[in-house]
Amino acid sequence: EVQLVESGGGLVQPGRSLRLSCEASGFTFDDYAMHWVRQGPGKGLEWVSGISWNSGNIDYADSVKGRFTISRDNAQNSLYLQMNSLRAEDTALYYCAKDSGYTSGRIEFWGQGTLVTVSS
Amino acid sequence: QSALTQPASVSGSPGQSITISCTGTSSDVGSYTLVSWYQQHPGKAPKLMIYEVSKRPSGVSNRFSASKSGNTASLTISGLQAEDEAAYYCCSYAGTGTSYVFGTGTKVTVL
Repeated sequence: EVQLVESGGGLVQPGRSLRLSCEASGFTFDDYAMHWVRQGPGKGLEWVSGISWNSGNIDYADSVKGRFTISRDNAQNSLYLQMNSLRAEDTALYYCAKDSGYTSGRIEFWGQGTLVTVSS
Repeated sequence: QSALTQPASVSGSPGQSITISCTGTSSDVGSYTLVSWYQQHPGKAPKLMIYEVSKRPSGVSNRFSASKSGNTASLTISGLQAEDEAAYYCCSYAGTGTSYVFGTGTKVTVL
């Protein structure tokens, strides 16, 4: 059974940093691209960042480019999102998500999310 | 990376059919077959309902169907049921590496 468990969310002041983690199980982690997708309170889904199976392809939404860094550790079956210079508009539920392919295809499975609140 | 455009809300009576549109551009929906649809009930994670424009994952009801024409994709729910009341999002490959773009989301209400 595929499982994605996010952690690391919390309340943080504007301008500060936070690191999210996602622990994966139930599938061969290094065979698939992985993503972070967020959903602001009462808002829609926003793709944030993606990373290919071997970290050779890394992409970011314009809204986070230069502030967020995605990474993965295939030996630890883990995905990460380093978030710097956080803004109020980054407040959201952050989902870790599994792709169907090495680089792209479709987002086919989601974790339950970790909540990030940016506020003073 | 502008969000794909969906109607904010669509409603229908039980047993009826409804269609949700998803309009993108020639850089996303219009150029790729990697268009998918997700169902999200309140407080829950999204669930994949359609992938590669019109394919259904195992376990998804055949009441859900989808298609694409040009820059617009569409999801149809036939035989509408109370359990179909949820938010629906389209998603397209955005053309670079691992990037995707989501639709604005549609709230489906079963009257």
